[in-house]
Amino acid sequence: GNSVTQMEGPVTLSEEAFLTINCTYTATGYPSLFWYVQYPGEGLQLLLKATKADDKGSNKGFEATYRKETTSFHLEKGSVQVSDSAVYFCALSTYTGNQFYFGTGTSLTVIP
Amino acid sequence: DARVTQTPRHKVTEMGQEVTMRCQPILGHNTVFWYRQTMMQGLELLAYFRNRAPLDDSGMPKDRFSAEMPDATLATLKIQPSEPRDSAVYFCASGPGASGAYNEQFFGPGTRLTVL
Repeated sequence: GNSVTQMEGPVTLSEEAFLTINCTYTATGYPSLFWYVQYPGEGLQLLLKATKADDKGSNKGFEATYRKETTSFHLEKGSVQVSDSAVYFCALSTYTGNQFYFGTGTSLTVIP
Repeated sequence: DARVTQTPRHKVTEMGQEVTMRCQPILGHNTVFWYRQTMMQGLELLAYFRNRAPLDDSGMPKDRFSAEMPDATLATLKIQPSEPRDSAVYFCASGPGASGAYNEQFFGPGTRLTVL
């Protein structure tokens, strides 16, 4: 079946620290992989995505590489800001785009 | 700037009352999803549609929840009768239902439901 496992939170970092949030997946077929971010009181919004093996998605200083050999899609940022405080969801989608599978979310708090 | 819209944004009701939540997907999207988010359970998929046809509603309590798409511009989620355990934020999302680079879901702002 299809599923996503992501790092448990919450995560608290100081401003300018390095961020890694781990995400691994199991999937049938060739999924697309996503990171979504949810700011307080808002819906989820796409942060970045990768649609095939070895693709790197990037946005707003965040990066994640689709690693088929390790079935992983870890989220990284070199220097976090207070404004990055949010909940981050890893997700995969089937080839047809009919259904998405979300991880449980990882809460990140960045302190000044 | 195309967005998914949801109404109402907030709803407070009493146990036993009917609740209807509405969603307008992005024009041209042919897949629509309903999710529920709570602190305890996280994000749960309730139902989803493709070309207005329900593909999977196994995540929904069948006895009280129903989801429909009367037309391509409107999706509804109804709870009747509502119970306090239904208190949550309900999200609608839509997508092009395509593969590869066009594969994505766009979320609405959510309806925060409180059942007293």
